[in-house]
Amino acid sequence: DGGITQSPKYLFRKEGQNVTLSCEQNLNHDAMYWYRQDPGQGLRLIYYSQIVNDFQKGDIAEGYSVSREKKESFPLTVTSAQKNPTAFYLCASSISWSTTNEKLFFGSGTQLSVL
Amino acid sequence: SQKIEQNSEALNIQEGKTATLTCNYTNYSPAYLQWYRQDPGRGPVFLLLIRENEKEKRKERLKVTFDTTLKQSLFHITASQPADSATYLCALAPPPQKVTFGIGTKLQVIP
Repeated sequence: DGGITQSPKYLFRKEGQNVTLSCEQNLNHDAMYWYRQDPGQGLRLIYYSQIVNDFQKGDIAEGYSVSREKKESFPLTVTSAQKNPTAFYLCASSISWSTTNEKLFFGSGTQLSVL
Repeated sequence: SQKIEQNSEALNIQEGKTATLTCNYTNYSPAYLQWYRQDPGRGPVFLLLIRENEKEKRKERLKVTFDTTLKQSLFHITASQPADSATYLCALAPPPQKVTFGIGTKLQVIP
């Protein structure tokens, strides 16, 4: 089955620790995205990547980092600089960045909590 | 600033009735508007897309309207079922794609 796989489903971070959230897709999509979802707020864009070896900051990139070394993979690192990391993190992909009517395909999310 | 408004309060509706959800936006000129369904603890799932030059779009029991003058989209579920209970997200994007989401409306269909 084609889709997006996020792991782990639940993740706990200790003070001062960096953690990495995994996102893998086998849809052959060029564009990938990371969103953060907090209760009572809409999804907020953290980073996006239009193509391999390229990525751009979204609206709330501070305290996060990403890489896009392979088309299939777009891991997100939550660094110790992110002071309020507790949230539900969603990875998404779309066929391409350049067309104007692309729907997003989402993974099942990772719930990150601070110990 | 750009803003998307969805009724953040839950919408409770009797099974078999039509559910209508509202999405309003300001300071946007979206090329298209999308609706997604999200179940608790899961990622959103795409339902429908409507373009700025389209007034209405249908898919099975779902209907979406898009009024660029009123800056509003209405999302209808006819003959609602308990399985339709979920949070429904409205999303807009000007070209190129950088989709922005509303907070969603939680729909509860009561048997």
